[in-house]
Amino acid sequence: DGGITQSPKYLFRKEGQNVTLSCEQNLNHDAMYWYRQDPGQGLRLIYYSQIVNDFQKGDIAEGYSVSREKKESFPLTVTSAQKNPTAFYLCASSPLGQGNDEQYFGPGTRLTVT
Amino acid sequence: AQKITQTQPGMFVQEKEAVTLDCTYDTSDPSYGLFWYKQPSSGEMIFLIYQGSYDQQNATEGRYSLNFQKARKSANLVISASQLGDSAMYFCAMRAIQGAQKLVFGQGTRLTINP
Repeated sequence: DGGITQSPKYLFRKEGQNVTLSCEQNLNHDAMYWYRQDPGQGLRLIYYSQIVNDFQKGDIAEGYSVSREKKESFPLTVTSAQKNPTAFYLCASSPLGQGNDEQYFGPGTRLTVT
Repeated sequence: AQKITQTQPGMFVQEKEAVTLDCTYDTSDPSYGLFWYKQPSSGEMIFLIYQGSYDQQNATEGRYSLNFQKARKSANLVISASQLGDSAMYFCAMRAIQGAQKLVFGQGTRLTINP
């Protein structure tokens, strides 16, 4: 089945450690996105990539890093510089070229940093 | 810059009634798309409906319809004959048609359907 996978579903880390969240898609989509969601809030864009080996900062990129070495993969690293890393992280993908194309979302990773 | 405003933090509706979830937006882009997503307690985001800024007719998808009033910059979601399974968070989002195709989301509305 085509879709987006994110692993793990729950992740626990100690403060000061970097952690990488995985996102894989087999939809052959060019664009991929990372969002952060805090309790009771909407989604905020962290980073996005429209093509392999290229990515752009979103609205809240500080303390995060990404890579796009393969079309199907867009891992997100939450670094120790991110002041409030505990949140729900959602990865999404979409085709490019048509503004009416929806973004397909993965199931999300809930990160807790203590 | 684009902005989405959802003014209803929570809505409570009796099963089988229709419900309207409000969404207003602001943008300087000449053409754009408006989306509604549903987020159940499991956390996944489920696409519901899309409306293009130049579409002549309001979008409909099964029990979902979008009341698009361009002059008022509003894109309200209407759910007809609500069901218990409709209880979830609902997000309105928009995206420019040209350029970086990133979505901007509102704060969401929590809908609760009572039996």
